[in-house]
Amino acid sequence: AQKVTQAQTEISVVEKEDVTLDCVYETRDTTYYLFWYKQPPSGELVFLIRRNSFDEQNEISGRYSWNFQKSTSSFNFTITASQVVDSAVYFCALSGEYNTDKLIFGTGTRLQVFP
Amino acid sequence: DAGVIQSPRHEVTEMGQEVTLRCKPISGHNSLFWYRQTMMRGLELLIYFNNNVPIDDSGMPEDRFSAKMPNASFSTLKIQPSEPRDSAVYFCASSFGASNNEQFFGPGTRLTVL
Repeated sequence: AQKVTQAQTEISVVEKEDVTLDCVYETRDTTYYLFWYKQPPSGELVFLIRRNSFDEQNEISGRYSWNFQKSTSSFNFTITASQVVDSAVYFCALSGEYNTDKLIFGTGTRLQVFP
Repeated sequence: DAGVIQSPRHEVTEMGQEVTLRCKPISGHNSLFWYRQTMMRGLELLIYFNNNVPIDDSGMPEDRFSAKMPNASFSTLKIQPSEPRDSAVYFCASSFGASNNEQFFGPGTRLTVL
């Protein structure tokens, strides 16, 4: 069975702090994909990143960075110098080798950034 | 380019009534997904289509729920009869090309069943 765990239900930080959102996944597939989505207060889900299981390189996009470690089955997301606009619920998701379009979402982490 | 379009954005209905949610995927996308989001259960995949064909409907809660995709640019999710426990935000998403590609979500329909 596939599963995504986001143990942090809610995180509060003050602007300019760095914050890391944890994501741990379970799968027996050899090939799989990991995703992060952002859901701001307006409600829509916004795609942030997709990473396949064969690419363990860390990725940086502006203030966002992702750390993929197969050894610990984790795909953590770090926001550097957080801003109020980063306040949202962030979801980690997994799709596998079979039934490849089916995304399994974690329960999300609510990030509140205070000025 | 227009994103995924959903209508209505809000729906309030009474228990027992039929509810129809509509979705227009991004042009050219060949996969379409219906999700439900609630506080208790989070984001759940209800059903998805590939090239207008239902591929996996294992997430559809019960026979009261049905979904159709008559063509590449339109899909409906119907609940008949509706119940208060169906109250949720329903999202439609679409994706293009090979599997495991990112899905683009619509703004959602907030359904309240009284």
